[in-house]
Amino acid sequence: DTEVTQTPKHLVMGMTNKKSLKCEQHMGHRAMYWYKQKAKKPPELMFVYSYEKLSINESVPSRFSPECPNSSLLNLHLHALQPEDSALYLCASSQEGGVTEAFFGQGTRLTVV
Amino acid sequence: QKEVEQNSGPLSVPEGAIASLNCTYSDRGSQSFFWYRQYSGKSPELIMSIYSNGDKEDGRFTAQLNKASQYVSLLIRDSQPSDSATYLCAAPGGTSYGKLTFGQGTILTVHP
Repeated sequence: DTEVTQTPKHLVMGMTNKKSLKCEQHMGHRAMYWYKQKAKKPPELMFVYSYEKLSINESVPSRFSPECPNSSLLNLHLHALQPEDSALYLCASSQEGGVTEAFFGQGTRLTVV
Repeated sequence: QKEVEQNSGPLSVPEGAIASLNCTYSDRGSQSFFWYRQYSGKSPELIMSIYSNGDKEDGRFTAQLNKASQYVSLLIRDSQPSDSATYLCAAPGGTSYGKLTFGQGTILTVHP
């Protein structure tokens, strides 16, 4: 089972809203990632959690707030986003951070209006 | 220098031909490399991983790694229109342990 599940699949939010993206994996992986992908660009790393601790923050604005409640779950809390934050948000997990295969969820298509 | 670089493409091949995709990386310490396929509007799908010098074959796909020259390639034999997608090379990169870095991607079109 190599499934990473993300919810919701689509999200439209206003600039004053607060919303959360959710990600779940049951592969026993110890690293989980959030990536942002704009059209015709590669995935851009935002955050890495390793063993439930935040290990990498790629200088992401504070309007994005990650959370790892346990080893299977990863959330991304969104607040006061801008229209340029509209993108595909991808969650991934791997056995070990960066050195083993990472498996992606289907993504959340976020539109900020 | 970018951590992971791919030949820019786009690449167009006829059905049945071999498609060759290339990637170079800057971190000599990298030990693992991955190829992902991404269809338009979908998430990346892992198709190959390679950890040792040489070739690794899986069906119509062959990954090749040359650590001395710091390049990794993906060959797709008997290309099919369903192979038309963006192919992303990824490697551990940069100064941060645990970071998986992607190349810019190569758009492949297989025409009948």
